[in-house]
Amino acid sequence: AQKVTQAQTEISVVEKEDVTLDCVYETRDTTYYLFWYKQPPSGELVFLIRRNSFDEQNEISGRYSWNFQKSTSSFNFTITASQVVDSAVYFCALSDSASKIIFGSGTRLSIRP
Amino acid sequence: EAGVVQSPRYKIIEKKQPVAFWCNPISGHNTLYWYLQNLGQGPELLIRYENEEAVDDSQLPKDRFSAERLKGVDSTLKIQPAELGDSAVYLCASSRQLAGGQDTQYFGPGTRLTVL
Repeated sequence: AQKVTQAQTEISVVEKEDVTLDCVYETRDTTYYLFWYKQPPSGELVFLIRRNSFDEQNEISGRYSWNFQKSTSSFNFTITASQVVDSAVYFCALSDSASKIIFGSGTRLSIRP
Repeated sequence: EAGVVQSPRYKIIEKKQPVAFWCNPISGHNTLYWYLQNLGQGPELLIRYENEEAVDDSQLPKDRFSAERLKGVDSTLKIQPAELGDSAVYLCASSRQLAGGQDTQYFGPGTRLTVL
């Protein structure tokens, strides 16, 4: 069975600090996809990144970076120089064919000014 | 390009009343999803449509929930009768079907249902 664990329920940091959100997944599939979504207070889930299981290259997009390690079944997300606008709930998710997505329980990130 | 549109954004009803949610997917997205999100949890799939066909409704409580996507575009999710435990956010998402599977799912703003 597929499972996504986000052990950090809530994180609070001061603005400009770096913060890493952890994600550990379980799957028996050799082909799968990993995602991160952001859910601001407005409620809409905003797509951030999709990574397939054959691409272990880390990715950087502005202040966001992702570290995919198959050896530890982890797909961690780091925000560098955090800003108040980064405050949201962040969900890590897993899919076998990108059709049915299994979400983690989310990490609530609060950035204090 | 417009995103996924959902209405209403908020709905408050008495228990045992019916309620319906509407979703308009992104243009060109033939796959549509309804998710349920309880407070403090991640979304859970209720039903997935490919065009007009419901291809995965295994998690839909069929005794009180129903959904339709008659012309393969807009979709409606209905609850009749609503129960207190149905209070949650109902999210709609859409994606394009690719040769190797589905493209990324994009979500609407959701409908927050409160059952009193």
